[in-house]
Amino acid sequence: NAGVTQTPKFQVLKTGQSMTLQCAQDMNHNSMYWYRQDPGMGLRLIYYSASEGTTDKGEVPNGYNVSRLNKREFSLRLESAAPSQTSVYFCASSRDFSPYEQYFGPGTRLTVT
Amino acid sequence: AQSVAQPEDQVNVAEGNPLTVKCTYSVSGNPYLFWYVQYPNRGLQFLLKYITGDNLVKGSYGFEAEFNKSQTSFHLKKPSALVSDSALYFCSHGNFNKFYFGSGTKLNVKP
Repeated sequence: NAGVTQTPKFQVLKTGQSMTLQCAQDMNHNSMYWYRQDPGMGLRLIYYSASEGTTDKGEVPNGYNVSRLNKREFSLRLESAAPSQTSVYFCASSRDFSPYEQYFGPGTRLTVT
Repeated sequence: AQSVAQPEDQVNVAEGNPLTVKCTYSVSGNPYLFWYVQYPNRGLQFLLKYITGDNLVKGSYGFEAEFNKSQTSFHLKKPSALVSDSALYFCSHGNFNKFYFGSGTKLNVKP
């Protein structure tokens, strides 16, 4: 039982390049989330998916797109990377919305130069 | 507006002493409150949550938290700190489809 997995672990991009961060969970959870973590700012929600086939914007969606490919997988795409998107990105899942707790992946450390 | 605040960036405590990590909340409706711990280069791990009922909630690794409605607080506590408790702790509030996180408190437990 792997829980939540993310790929890649590290990535360096040049400004303007694109990439997709992959996330998968094997807990049969309905809800999935993408966060970014910046020093002193806690976690900020980028996008979430209540269930397969639905996605919604979170607190900081600009510059990102997501796809809920199936119940297990939720990907995050940066179409044209900017230095302001340098961050650590976490995927999480939960059985359903609050009050269910979230389970987090190990994170992707992204640097945009 | 929904928010969660952690007033201390860092808490220092000696091993064996009790520890408290503070959290206050501002929410509309029922507060659903969570504590998570993050070890270096790892994702967050769930510790405990308050939904309703008993104001003292017990969680993993000997941690507990006290919900105080009048003070809008949800402080994390442990009677006797361990060096291995040193980590970054996050308080969170969940409201239906969104979660709000505090900025985190770094706990340092010294031998």
